[in-house]
Amino acid sequence: DAGVIQSPRHEVTEMGQEVTLRCKPISGHNSLFWYRQTMMRGLELLIYFNNNVPIDDSGMPEDRFSAKMPNASFSTLKIQPSEPRDSAVYFCASSSRPTSGSYEQYFGPGTRLTVT
Amino acid sequence: AQSVTQLDSHVSVSEGTPVLLRCNYSSSYSPSLFWYVQHPNKGLQLLLKYTSAATLVKGINGFEAEFKKSETSFHLTKPSAHMSDAAEYFCVVSDRDTDKLIFGTGTRLQVFP
Repeated sequence: DAGVIQSPRHEVTEMGQEVTLRCKPISGHNSLFWYRQTMMRGLELLIYFNNNVPIDDSGMPEDRFSAKMPNASFSTLKIQPSEPRDSAVYFCASSSRPTSGSYEQYFGPGTRLTVT
Repeated sequence: AQSVTQLDSHVSVSEGTPVLLRCNYSSSYSPSLFWYVQHPNKGLQLLLKYTSAATLVKGINGFEAEFKKSETSFHLTKPSAHMSDAAEYFCVVSDRDTDKLIFGTGTRLQVFP
């Protein structure tokens, strides 16, 4: 199993530009989570999907952030326009809840975003 | 509401000595508990999980954790630290009402030669 795949691994962009982060969950998993990690705020849950449907987006910081899951094998997190305070590591995770009854999530390697 | 408290933000040990990372939990029902590890510039990796079967749970890389309901604790231990164990460790509890994981603030483990 390839695990959760994220791309790009590193992204450097200028303030005001659009940024798109991509995630491919583990095959067969039906829940997908987007997190953001910073030194100041630790690990924050931004949004999660069950069966491609957004369930809870209360962690999305503001309207500049949007996430989609068009099918079971792909999700995007978009920031438009980006700001320096968006600089962080963004993780995608997937799990087989609710089908399996197991809560553990499997994390991708992350995308390190730097906005200058 | 579910929560976890990691009692130490930093732990330092010498290579070959035991490791103890402490975690207390709060849950209104029988919880699912996890320990995750994050090595520098890496993603989070599942070390072990407790799901109401055996109270002593064995994980990868020689780590284990014991669920103690009377103490509401889920401490992580390893008999002998290795340099490669240096990382950030997160204690996590599941929220079965929301399917979310609730993360502790993390414990940074340093291992000295």
